[in-house]
Parts: sequence; C-alpha cells; structure tokens
Amino acid sequence: SQTIHQWPATLVQPVGSPLSLECTVEGTSNPNLYWYRQAAGRGLQLLFYSVGIGQISSEVPQNLSASRPQDRQFILSSKKLLLSDSGFYLCAWRVDRNTEAFFGQGTRLTVV
Amino acid sequence: KNQVEQSPQSLIILEGKNCTLQCNYTVSPFSNLRWYKQDTGRGPVSLTIMTFSENTKSNRRYTATLDADTKQSSLHITASQLSDSASYICVVSDSTNAGKSTFGDGTTLTVKP
Repeated sequence: SQTIHQWPATLVQPVGSPLSLECTVEGTSNPNLYWYRQAAGRGLQLLFYSVGIGQISSEVPQNLSASRPQDRQFILSSKKLLLSDSGFYLCAWRVDRNTEAFFGQGTRLTVV
Repeated sequence: KNQVEQSPQSLIILEGKNCTLQCNYTVSPFSNLRWYKQDTGRGPVSLTIMTFSENTKSNRRYTATLDADTKQSSLHITASQLSDSASYICVVSDSTNAGKSTFGDGTTLTVKP
C-alpha cells in the first residue's frame, strides 16, 4: 500500500527565517508530486508540481521554492519567510494526471 | 480560464437528513471530476472519481452524479451523520497538463443532532 508523510503538522516561524517542509511517499515509484496552499475557507491553490526527480514546475510567483532530490521526496522551502506565507500547506501525490490525488496531513504554518 | 464553482458555500442540516451539494465547472477538455471530504485541519480524502462516461457513482452514503454536457456534478449525502460535518471539495482535471487540477472553494457542511 502507498502512504504519504508530511511534517510537521504545525509550525510557528518568525518573519525572515528559513522554511523547509518535507513530504515523502512510500509504496510507489515515480509519482507526480504536488504542493498546495489553502487559505481559510478557500480552495487549494497549486504552488508546485513535479513529474520526476529534479523536475519542478511553478504555478504562481512567490517567496517559495520546491525541490525533488529523490524520487519520492518533495521539499517546500523559503530563504526568508513573509507574514503572507502563513497558511495551510498540503503535499499530494498521484500516479498520473488521470488518477485521484492522495493528500498528506497538511502543515499549518504561522509566520509571526 | 478553468473554473470550478460550488454551492452552497455552507449548509446546516439535522442528523438523519439528506442533502445535495452542487459543482459547476468550465474546465476543458475534461478529464475527470473528483469529490473530496476534508475534515478541519486535515488533508482532503477522496470520495469518488468520475470520468466522462460515468453518470452516477456511489460510495456508501455518498452518491455523485455527473452531467458532462451541462458541466455539472452533484454529491448527494443520504441519512447524514454527525461525522459528515466537513468541507466537501469538487476538483476537476483537464487532459492537457501533467495533472494540474482546478479546485472549488468547497461547501462546508454542518450536521447537527
């Protein structure tokens, strides 16, 4: 069976500090990987997606970056957090574009 | 521009009652439509996935319908339970990109005893 691990569940970081959120998938190979951000009461906004190691596509310009150093590892980073980076971040994987996505538990990031 | 509109934005019903959530989309060319249930502070969990040729699909007390001609979908919940309280999100994917999907803002359902 496949599992997705996303951590931490909650994070409080000061403005200007770096960020690293990690997501790993087990039980599958070469998944499509995604990072989403969800504003309160709103739908999910796609930030980045990756169809393979080292392949990153960015959907919106922002203060964040993503990397995929290994097949089943997806990392969301920032060098200097802004207050506006606060939100609920979700990692997801899927076999391909025609299958459903499976989401991690999410990370509630609060930048203070 | 691809869009997914859900209605109502929020809904309150009594335990045991039925309800129907709506999803209208403009995503084209259409690949599939999925309904997710998202509990507060958690990641979404898939309920159903429907392709172009499927009109109705059921999963326990959840029944989803799809009208690809009018680009509408509905999620019907039967005999609601307190645990059904959550946000229900409609997600529509097109067939031109590597898995990019358009998410609706969700319907927040509250089931009261």
